[in-house]
Amino acid sequence: QQPVQSPQAVILREGEDAVINCSSSKALYSVHWYRQKHGEAPVFLMILLKGGEQKGHEKISASFNEKKQQSSLYLTASQLSYSGTYFCGTEGGSQGNLIFGKGTKLSVKP
Amino acid sequence: IAGITQAPTSQILAAGRRMTLRCTQDMRHNAMYWYRQDLGLGLRLIHYSNTAGTTGKGEVPDGYSVSRANTDDFPLTLASAVPSQTSVYFCASSEQEGQPQHFGDGTRLSIL
Repeated sequence: QQPVQSPQAVILREGEDAVINCSSSKALYSVHWYRQKHGEAPVFLMILLKGGEQKGHEKISASFNEKKQQSSLYLTASQLSYSGTYFCGTEGGSQGNLIFGKGTKLSVKP
Repeated sequence: IAGITQAPTSQILAAGRRMTLRCTQDMRHNAMYWYRQDLGLGLRLIHYSNTAGTTGKGEVPDGYSVSRANTDDFPLTLASAVPSQTSVYFCASSEQEGQPQHFGDGTRLSIL
């Protein structure tokens, strides 16, 4: 089952914060987050394993609530370089394959 | 520079033709993947391979085949291309299944 991301798109001013959510209807083992800039390949940001841990990457962090089967990506004090489409990929089984959400397009304006 | 190389970068193909997209990685990763990306649909897994000599079907495998004769190469073949296979195709690899995936630059394929 494809995870559902929200919002579909968000526009920010530099320095503002944003939250991107990823929800699944199935039990999750892990959640991956990737960012893709226009015309480029997706780039790995972070993995969260079940256990509710929160991870950070510069001013980007994420949490994973396995009971609610959802993960949230937090972008703090956004920079122009944060613009792109963010994808969550969920892993539910033993094969380790990811099912990606449809993405959230983030635009940061000066 | 270590990474994943995809070829060709782009291709226009007549419907009914056979086409092989190439993917090579030099990171000695065990797992490799093929995705297609269509506007508004995100990345969808076509086929995967957790180790050389093994392959598996993803979400949208119909019309595609793969092989994994060695660790480095993972070609994707369209036996008889159809217009609905027009898409951007990404190859990815990871050390093991479930680990961070590294993506190639993609192949933009148009089937006419």
